[in-house]
Amino acid sequence: AQSVTQPDIHITVSEGASLELRCNYSYGATPYLFWYVQSPGQGLQLLLKYFSGDTLVQGIKGFEAEFKRSQSSFNLRKPSVHWSDAAEYFCAVGARDTGNQFYFGTGTSLTVIP
Amino acid sequence: NAGVTQTPKFRVLKTGQSMTLLCAQDMNHEYMYWYRQDPGMGLRLIHYSVGEGTTAKGEVPDGYNVSRLKKQNFLLGLESAAPSQTSVYFCASSYEGNVLTFGAGSRLTVL
Repeated sequence: AQSVTQPDIHITVSEGASLELRCNYSYGATPYLFWYVQSPGQGLQLLLKYFSGDTLVQGIKGFEAEFKRSQSSFNLRKPSVHWSDAAEYFCAVGARDTGNQFYFGTGTSLTVIP
Repeated sequence: NAGVTQTPKFRVLKTGQSMTLLCAQDMNHEYMYWYRQDPGMGLRLIHYSVGEGTTAKGEVPDGYNVSRLKKQNFLLGLESAAPSQTSVYFCASSYEGNVLTFGAGSRLTVL
């Protein structure tokens, strides 16, 4: 069965520090992989996606993620965090042969301290 | 360009009451989805649709029904609301069944 694990429930970083949010997935083939961000009281916004090709993908707001097939991981990174990055981050997996269903992790809440 | 619009944004129900959440998208997307979001559980798929007139069950379909009579609309119904259905509900749509565009959410409280 497909599943997504985000092992960190909550992370606190200082503004300007680097960030890495972890995501591991369970899937039989190469899935579509996504990172979404949710600000308080808002819907989810796509940060970046991986379908195929280059395993390092760039997204909006200076985020990037790397697909590592051997580790079944798709970790999100940002070299220098801004206070406005404080939000909830969700990793998701999906593919056509799952009936176009998408499975989300439980989310990582990011706090940025000045 | 409104994207995905959900109505209502907030609703309080008593146990046993019924209600319908409406999702409307103006992007001509084929695929539409209903998720619920609960603390510590992320988003869980309730039902989804791969085109007008079609619906399918997701991870947590019990207690919910859906209809997709028009391509642009996807309705989520609760026939007899229960406190366990207190949640934030998100609708999403997708053109080719890959990238999801989300609505702003509907917060439902069942007393």
